Amino acid sequence: AAGVIQSPRHLIKEKRETATLKCYPIPRHDTVYWYQQGPGQDPQFLISFYEKMQSDKGSIPDRFSAQQFSDYHSELNMSSLELGDSALYFCASSPMGGWYGYTFGSGTRLTVV
Amino acid sequence: DQQVKQNSPSLSVQEGRISILNCDYTNSMFDYFLWYKKYPAEGPTFLISISSIKDKNEDGRFTVFLNKSAKHLSLHIVPSQPGDSAVYFCAARARRGDRGSTLGRLYFGRGTQLTVWP
Repeated sequence: AAGVIQSPRHLIKEKRETATLKCYPIPRHDTVYWYQQGPGQDPQFLISFYEKMQSDKGSIPDRFSAQQFSDYHSELNMSSLELGDSALYFCASSPMGGWYGYTFGSGTRLTVV
Repeated sequence: DQQVKQNSPSLSVQEGRISILNCDYTNSMFDYFLWYKKYPAEGPTFLISISSIKDKNEDGRFTVFLNKSAKHLSLHIVPSQPGDSAVYFCAARARRGDRGSTLGRLYFGRGTQLTVWP
């Protein structure tokens, strides 16, 4: 069965650079969520999209932005990267607005040096 | 402010015995609870869930118990197997439609590393 695809799996960037993380949800899933997990931390909700509109916003820095495209894939854009942005970034998708189960991707490990 | 808490960072259990992972929460708006299992370099995998209208849900070797009055849930794995060794995350979701509720956002605990040894 198709899963949630995230790319790239690993990314190394320098401080003040920009990064773009991509997420391809399971077909027919209309909701996408982004989470950030720092070392030894719990996954923290960043932002979600339902039917290409932002549906909820969590602890996402102003330096970050995201969108969901017409094919339902989503991109998380991160600018002016800081060392503290180094983390595992998970995307998850679900059908029907998010109330019937979540499937996570394998994550993108971002390292800022 | 940690709304979902897993106070045991690690648990070590012998194969064949019961593993009990605990989770506490503070937000009374939570109405759905989930357990995820995570291996290194992989995303969390859904394991089992329970609605707040129930106090127990069972799926094979996995049973989740919910005590709403104590705002506590636990995951029981019986019998434990070495392949169960992973990090287990407890997560909660807010009630839909209430003021301040969020459309599907999950609040996670910090996880418990379960090690099942032969």
